[in-house]
Amino acid sequence: ILNVEQSPQSLHVQEGDSTNFTCSFPSSNFYALHWYRWETAKSPEALFVMTLNGDEKKKGRISATLNTKEGYSYLYIKGSQPEDSATYLCALRDYGQNFVFGPGTRLSVLP
Amino acid sequence: NAGVTQTPKFQVLKTGQSMTLQCAQDMNHNSMYWYRQDPGMGLRLIYYSASEGTTDKGEVPNGYNVSRLNKREFSLRLESAAPSQTSVYFCASSDAGAGNTIYFGEGSWLTVV
Repeated sequence: ILNVEQSPQSLHVQEGDSTNFTCSFPSSNFYALHWYRWETAKSPEALFVMTLNGDEKKKGRISATLNTKEGYSYLYIKGSQPEDSATYLCALRDYGQNFVFGPGTRLSVLP
Repeated sequence: NAGVTQTPKFQVLKTGQSMTLQCAQDMNHNSMYWYRQDPGMGLRLIYYSASEGTTDKGEVPNGYNVSRLNKREFSLRLESAAPSQTSVYFCASSDAGAGNTIYFGEGSWLTVV
């Protein structure tokens, strides 16, 4: 059974600060790692999908890396803006097509 | 584009009542899922259906039943609601393949009193 942990649980940063948070997993026996952005009262939206060790993805000010050998993925936000405030979910997709989600990191960007 | 639609959006039930959450997707996805979201717990899988005609238990299936009515529709039933089933329920769908993301409905807020 896949296990996904995320840290920190919550984070408060000032507008303009850069920040990062971690998704960790004890087993690398999964199909893909996904990052989602989840705003309050909305449904989660996909950010990135990564499958290979060393994968790096970028979308605007947000980027992510994957290290399957050491069991972690980082999500980076450069120059945080208030609209980045959301919960960021990491999920592993297993070979049975299931998605196992971490508990999320709640980011608050203060103006 | 409707994507994943689920109903109802809000429901209050009395302990012991039954109800069905409906979900439909129009993206021709093979896989459909029901998750519940509780504070500090993230999204936990209740049941999933990898393809039409198949259903399997997830992490927290007790107290629930599901029906994959056809490729589009996947319903979740609470036979005898309990206060512990107070939660936000999300239906989702996805296609097979590592790069395919999961798409969620807008959630159903259920309170059992």
